[in-house]
Amino acid sequence: QVQLVESGGGVVQPGGSLRLSCAASGFTFSSYGMHWVRQAPGKGLEWVGFIRFDSSNKYYGDSVKGRITISRDNSKNTMSLQINSLRAEDTAVYYCAKPSQKYGYRDYFESWGQGTLVTVSA
Amino acid sequence: EIVLTQSPGTLSLSPGERATFSCRASQRLTGNSLAWYQQKPGQAPRLLIYGVSNRATDVPDRFSGSGSGTDFSLTITGLGPEDFAVYFCQQYSYSPATFGQGTRVEIK
Repeated sequence: QVQLVESGGGVVQPGGSLRLSCAASGFTFSSYGMHWVRQAPGKGLEWVGFIRFDSSNKYYGDSVKGRITISRDNSKNTMSLQINSLRAEDTAVYYCAKPSQKYGYRDYFESWGQGTLVTVSA
Repeated sequence: EIVLTQSPGTLSLSPGERATFSCRASQRLTGNSLAWYQQKPGQAPRLLIYGVSNRATDVPDRFSGSGSGTDFSLTITGLGPEDFAVYFCQQYSYSPATFGQGTRVEIK
């Protein structure tokens, strides 16, 4: 079955950087675009970004555009999210999510990881 | 960006009761591109419904979705103890994907 495992969260000072990872298994990772979605404590869900299966296209949410980079390594079935210039409002649980379709940009999220918490605090 | 407004914010019901809550889009959604998720404390969201009314794998048939255009709803007929949770709608007609703010179903 599909398994997504995020890692890399932690406490970071404002202005700092962090790199999150998502390890995927149970499906042909190299055939699927993948998403990051985040959730601030006690709040709703916010789409963060998407990377196409072959990394040829990446799309980012307005609130993080210019500060994040999504990448993937299909040989290792992993996806990464690099966040720079972290702000207090970036404090959230970050989930990687698999869409239902292989292209999967405008799509619903069929599978989710358990999430990794990023806390931005001095 | 499409704004999804869910109502009510909180629903207080007893086990066995019927729960119905809504999700209104700021613009007409095309292609039945609306999904519902359930989230319990400390857990990731779980897909319940996609394409407005299609149940995801292993979702009990007491969950049903309906609607079109800008107005959508999720109904749970006969609340089980495991159904007390937060429910989010999500549209994927337009980019970026957006979510409603959630409806909390709590035990009365």
